[in-house]
Amino acid sequence: GENVEQHPSTLSVQEGDSAVIKCTYSDSASNYFPWYKQELGKRPQLIIDIRSNVGEKKDQRIAVTLNKTAKHFSLHITETQPEDSAVYFCAALMNRDDKIIFGKGTRLHILP
Amino acid sequence: DGGITQSPKYLFRKEGQNVTLSCEQNLNHDAMYWYRQDPGQGLRLIYYSQIVNDFQKGDIAEGYSVSREKKESFPLTVTSAQKNPTAFYLCASRHASDTQYFGPGTRLTVL
Repeated sequence: GENVEQHPSTLSVQEGDSAVIKCTYSDSASNYFPWYKQELGKRPQLIIDIRSNVGEKKDQRIAVTLNKTAKHFSLHITETQPEDSAVYFCAALMNRDDKIIFGKGTRLHILP
Repeated sequence: DGGITQSPKYLFRKEGQNVTLSCEQNLNHDAMYWYRQDPGQGLRLIYYSQIVNDFQKGDIAEGYSVSREKKESFPLTVTSAQKNPTAFYLCASRHASDTQYFGPGTRLTVL
């Protein structure tokens, strides 16, 4: 069935280093890929998204890359800070059902 | 996100009781969604609606029911048939440009 695989499930990086989270998707017709950040007890918040007509998008310390041929996309966070500690979800729009499918999430720990 | 409201913030349910969670949006979004999130887990889709008076089951619809009588409102009822309803419930709505936003959530606990 339609799904989004996300890795790793947990990631610990030293403050100031970079963090990378990777996702793959199954629906080759997907054309929209958002990323959400969820802090403890809060709602998921959209942090960046990318559409299939571009290969990379950047917003300050956050960037997302998309490889449509391989059906995978990645989130890159540079110069990590303590406030980056959270759970991150990747997602993909499944055009057949017109609904967004989420990965299982990555818990990011920023170590002091 | 401020355009999606959920109430109540906390809800307690007794055994055999039905409870209804409210979700309202003023963003003029056509599509609305309900997710369940268990501690330390991901988002599981319960029901979704792409248009008024129409809705579809998600991955875990058993024990839940919804209605979509108005574009702005998509209430979720947790019925007594849902044996383990303790979880964080998130409502979301989506714009035609595909951006999906979440409400603040309702935390449901079974007593």
